[in-house]
Parts: sequence; structure tokens; C-alpha cells
Amino acid sequence: SAVISQKPSRDICQRGTSLTIQCQVDSQVTMMFWYRQQPGQSLTLIATANQGSEATYESGFVIDKFPISRPNLTFSTLTVSNMSPEDSSIYLCSALNWGQGNTGELFFGEGSRLTVL
Amino acid sequence: GESVGLHLPTLSVQEGDNSIINCAYSNSASDYFIWYKQESGKGPQFIIDIRSNMDKRQGQRVTVLLNKTVKHLSLQIAATQPGDSAVYFCAEQITSGTYKYIFGTGTRLKVLA
Repeated sequence: SAVISQKPSRDICQRGTSLTIQCQVDSQVTMMFWYRQQPGQSLTLIATANQGSEATYESGFVIDKFPISRPNLTFSTLTVSNMSPEDSSIYLCSALNWGQGNTGELFFGEGSRLTVL
Repeated sequence: GESVGLHLPTLSVQEGDNSIINCAYSNSASDYFIWYKQESGKGPQFIIDIRSNMDKRQGQRVTVLLNKTVKHLSLQIAATQPGDSAVYFCAEQITSGTYKYIFGTGTRLKVLA
């Protein structure tokens, strides 16, 4: 299993500013992902955070808006750039280990709830 | 495109009754599925998983059924309790060309006293 810590847990931001969310895992993991969950909706995958290389973004998400870093196997950051009220959402970090002996279970942090005014 | 959807957005059940939450998935090549429970203000929590070489898997009070013929997944909760009130998501593992999980719409389960 993996325990994932995110910070900030919540924040209120002004339009046009940027915010970086940090995600720390208590053990080395193979893969890390960032999801967005808009109010009352399901989880939408933003990107896969690749260790030591550029993240892989899903359709509708771009690096300029959501730059992601993953400098090692336990840490990643997601920046929400030039925020607008439409970016108000919960951002969730997740991780998994794959390979022999691992179940493939995707673990989640508690999320970072962003409100953009 | 790839999608995982649910038939019912809200399900209300009496305490003590059994709950059945359904999910339809679209990628016939998917071989691993997970059900998650999300309580208000928290991240999703793993409930139970199933691989495509199985059609049923049981846990404590929960059972997942997989019908690959019609690409349908269900979560059964026995003797539903107030603590089961939450939103439930199914997730489908995509491994062709990439490795990621796609989540369904979600069903809110309300347990009535």
C-alpha cells in the first residue's frame, strides 16, 4: 500500500494567479497520476507524471496550463496556471505500483480543493 | 472515445437491504477493474477489484460481478449500513499503448434509516 499526502488541502485563489499542489508518497511508486474532480462529478485524468521526463497529458489538458513535475519516485507537483473560476475543483494525486506481487490498486491522496474567485 | 459509465446517478436503499450499483465500460480490452468509495471531503478508497479472467469476486459484505460479454460491472453491498452512504465509482484500467485508469460517472448511495 501507499500513503499519499497532498498540500495544500484547500485554498482560495484569485483569478489570474497560479498555485502549485504538492504530492508526497510514503514509498517509491512506479506511476503517479493527477486527476481533477469538479463539483458533483467523477474523476477526470489530467496527466501521468513521469519520473525524470515530461508528463503525458490527456486530451483537453496542456502543459502550459497544468505543468507537472516528478523529480523522483515519491514526489510530484501539479501547478494550475493563470487560474479562472472554471478551475475551481478538487485535484487528486494518485499512485500505483505495478509488476509482480502488486495488485495494480490505485491509491489516492485526500485531494486539494481549490476555489478561484 | 474511452468511457466508463453508470446507469444510476443516485440510489436510495433501506438500511439492512442489499445495494446493487452498476457500471458499463466501453473498452473490451480492459482486464482490470476497481470499485472505489468516496466519502464527502475525502479521496477515493479502494473497495474491491476484479480481473477479467474472473466473473465474480467477494469481499467482506461486497461482491463484484463482471460480465465481459456485455461489458458490465456491478457492485453488490450486503446488509447496507449508514456508513455505506457515499459516492461509488468504478474504474477501468487501460493498458493499450499507455497505462491509466478511467473512472465512471459515479453513483451516490443513500442509506435510509
